[in-house]
Amino acid sequence: GNSVTQMEGPVTLSEEAFLTINCTYTATGYPSLFWYVQYPGEGLQLLLKATKADDKGSNKGFEATYRKETTSFHLEKGSVQVSDSAVYFCARKPTGNQFYFGTGTSLTVIP
Amino acid sequence: SQTIHQWPATLVQPVGSPLSLECTVEGTSNPNLYWYRQAAGRGLQLLFYSVGIGQISSEVPQNLSASRPQDRQFILSSKKLLLSDSGFYLCAWTGQGRLGELFFGEGSRLTVL
Repeated sequence: GNSVTQMEGPVTLSEEAFLTINCTYTATGYPSLFWYVQYPGEGLQLLLKATKADDKGSNKGFEATYRKETTSFHLEKGSVQVSDSAVYFCARKPTGNQFYFGTGTSLTVIP
Repeated sequence: SQTIHQWPATLVQPVGSPLSLECTVEGTSNPNLYWYRQAAGRGLQLLFYSVGIGQISSEVPQNLSASRPQDRQFILSSKKLLLSDSGFYLCAWTGQGRLGELFFGEGSRLTVL
């Protein structure tokens, strides 16, 4: 299959807390993996990506490592800010043209 | 630079009425084009994608259809809307040769009453 499973939310954290949002994917072939972010009232935008095993994508303090052995691509940030409040989507692109997204995880960071 | 636009931004339609959502991409040629629906609690569902004019692939059988009459134009349609068609519809594109990054439009909020 082509499923992406990500941690259910909503997640509420205090500012400067550590963030982990889990994402696992169905292991068929060697997909590219992505995290997209949707800020309130906006469309989706790419946060980071990794195209092969052991690659680490990073952007704006967020990181995710492509783990083939555990078929995971967990999103982490060491110290979240209020401005990180958004919905985060894990996505998978197998070989081909389709992109498949998880259900999204809502994050709220409180001061 | 490349841009993507979709319209209308919001739409309220009665059950049984037709639908037409339009998406256009500027600043690139021969993009792959996508329609997604975002429903509460279900994330993004891929509805259709197109790799060229007149080429449409459907991911989920349903009440909707898509067409690509021009290289940079992608249209989502329905002849008769259902209540379950309500949602947030997103158009997206990716270019040939890129490492798979999707660029999304602003979205169209459809409410079927």
